[in-house]
Amino acid sequence: GAVVSQHPSWVICKSGTSVKIECRSLDFQATTMFWYRQFPKQSLMLMATSNEGSKATYEQGVEKDKFLINHASLTLSTLTVTSAHPEDSSFYICSARGTSSGNTIYFGEGSWLTVV
Amino acid sequence: RKEVEQDPGPFNVPEGATVAFNCTYSNSASQSFFWYRQDCRKEPKLLMSVYSSGNEDGRFTAQLNRASQYISLLIRDSKLSDSATYLCVVNTRRNAGNMLTFGGGTRLMVKP
Repeated sequence: GAVVSQHPSWVICKSGTSVKIECRSLDFQATTMFWYRQFPKQSLMLMATSNEGSKATYEQGVEKDKFLINHASLTLSTLTVTSAHPEDSSFYICSARGTSSGNTIYFGEGSWLTVV
Repeated sequence: RKEVEQDPGPFNVPEGATVAFNCTYSNSASQSFFWYRQDCRKEPKLLMSVYSSGNEDGRFTAQLNRASQYISLLIRDSKLSDSATYLCVVNTRRNAGNMLTFGGGTRLMVKP
């Protein structure tokens, strides 16, 4: 079946640095990718929706200049957390949907970000 | 009001028990509905889709009531391995395309 791979699984970075998280669809073309954030004991919150070749659509309250999303190809989307701060520490998960997957949305394994 | 609401629990039940989770959603234009399971520190995984006619998969039964905007999940003969957080998920069409909205999750702990 379709697989979405996310990398890295864990990352620790210093405050003020930037971190890039990759989301790849391995056996289908992901026309749409979604980025979520989940704080401990809370639900997944959608950050942004990106369609291949277009600018991402950000949810209200999500700073687009801080969370840079690139979806330049049908198999790769990246989320860059710029100038990370401890309050950005969270679980970031991507999901993807393609024309061949119908309405099914597949999730990546998630990335744990800790900013120290 | 949250778009998708669930009782956070936790539900502590003995093995073999039957447990039911409820969920309500506020957007009447929502198109499709799901239950996802999320284990600690892992990504959510699709458990089952939810239909008005009901959907049964082994020990799991899901039901949708569109008139009441209410979704349920019933787990029979609970196993230790059922311990997880169960997320009620609603798919709504927007200009940017379909999007999933997650409830806060209901935590289940099955004990020996």
